[in-house]
Amino acid sequence: GQNIDQPTEMTATEGAIVQINCTYQTSGFNGLFWYQQHAGEAPTFLSYNVLDGLEEKGRFSSFLSRSKGYSYLLLKELQMKDSASYLCAVRGYDYKLSFGAGTTVTVRA
Amino acid sequence: ETGVTQTPRHLVMGMTNKKSLKCEQHLGHNAMYWYKQSAKKPLELMFVYSLEERVENNSVPSRFSPECPNSSHLFLHLHTLQPEDSALYLCASSQEGSTGELFFGEGSRLTVL
Repeated sequence: GQNIDQPTEMTATEGAIVQINCTYQTSGFNGLFWYQQHAGEAPTFLSYNVLDGLEEKGRFSSFLSRSKGYSYLLLKELQMKDSASYLCAVRGYDYKLSFGAGTTVTVRA
Repeated sequence: ETGVTQTPRHLVMGMTNKKSLKCEQHLGHNAMYWYKQSAKKPLELMFVYSLEERVENNSVPSRFSPECPNSSHLFLHLHTLQPEDSALYLCASSQEGSTGELFFGEGSRLTVL
């Protein structure tokens, strides 16, 4: 089975940095994904990690440690438009994605 | 524009109605998915079609019936639903053999009275 945990909510100030943690216990591992979902909109792909280490994409970075079953998404220089839900998803041995419940990030001025 | 279009965006139905959700992808992908999203819960995978063949049916009640007539279209037929089926139903597509990232539609918000 799949078990993916992430915090329910986080609040941060515009211009600050926020780190969203994700821990997982899954049947096999074939990659970890982060998605962003604004209210009333489709989830959109942010990042993909399959090897240990840090992947950087502009203001967003994602880290993976397979031995610890742990990932984080780092959002830098927060902007109001970053207020959204962030979904952690793990692809298991069957190559299907299992999702966490999502972390709602609220950015305040 | 996400490349995956879902209709209708909102649907209200009674428990005895029959309705269908439609999904169309314009990305040339070879796999399509139905997910259910309820408040504060993880996305639940319902059905997967790969090359138009159903490869996953995650213990979904028979009142939900999928149909995939070709690689670009996916339907979810709804019949005698329950109020607890009220949720956001998301369609997604992917290209198997690549990183496998999902491209989602904006969802159909279903309310069952």
